[in-house]
Amino acid sequence: EVQLVESGGGLIQPGGSLRLSCAASGFTVSSNYMSWVRQAPGKGLEWVSVIYSGGSTYYADSVKGRFTISRDNSKNTLYLQMNSLRAEDTAVYYCARVRDGNWFDPWGQGTLVTVSS
Amino acid sequence: EIVLTQSPAILSLSPGERATLSCRASQSVSSYLAWYQQKPGQAPRLLIYDASNRATGIPARFSGSGSGTDFTLTISSLEPEDFAVYYCQQRSNWPPYTFGQGTKLEIK
Repeated sequence: EVQLVESGGGLIQPGGSLRLSCAASGFTVSSNYMSWVRQAPGKGLEWVSVIYSGGSTYYADSVKGRFTISRDNSKNTLYLQMNSLRAEDTAVYYCARVRDGNWFDPWGQGTLVTVSS
Repeated sequence: EIVLTQSPAILSLSPGERATLSCRASQSVSSYLAWYQQKPGQAPRLLIYDASNRATGIPARFSGSGSGTDFTLTISSLEPEDFAVYYCQQRSNWPPYTFGQGTKLEIK
């Protein structure tokens, strides 16, 4: 069964750092495009970052320079390192496989990040 | 940047009725459009990709149509479990992925 399980969310003060993990099973992370998408409380979906199978990485303007996407092939796990966190980064963060490079499927269950003092 | 505009924001219908949701792109996205369903407290689920292809396990009452800038998600006869929020999403050069703001399908 293809599955994604996120972890690492929590309450963090503004300016702090957090690393999210996304453990995959049923497929190989390094052979796929993988992405992070977030959803602020009561709001819609916002694409955050993607890592291509070849290793290229891209970020939304709202997180560029502060967030870093990476993967550990030996652990079949995707990561999102988040630095200089702001209140507006508060959201549920989902990881997702990007099918055919275009569509998000499947999604993990999400992990909540709350940035507050 | 390509902007996706969904309408209506809220759609109130009864079980058994037909639902028609719209997604309009600010410029052509060809057929690079998907639809997702999200229920409260759950992750989104892919319903339709490439504008008109149903994802694995999606019931036949869900169908997608359109190309270029105008797209439609149709649910032929609403079941109780279909009441949720629906998002469209496009794939382009930059930013590579954007979502519409969502349509909430609620029970009338």
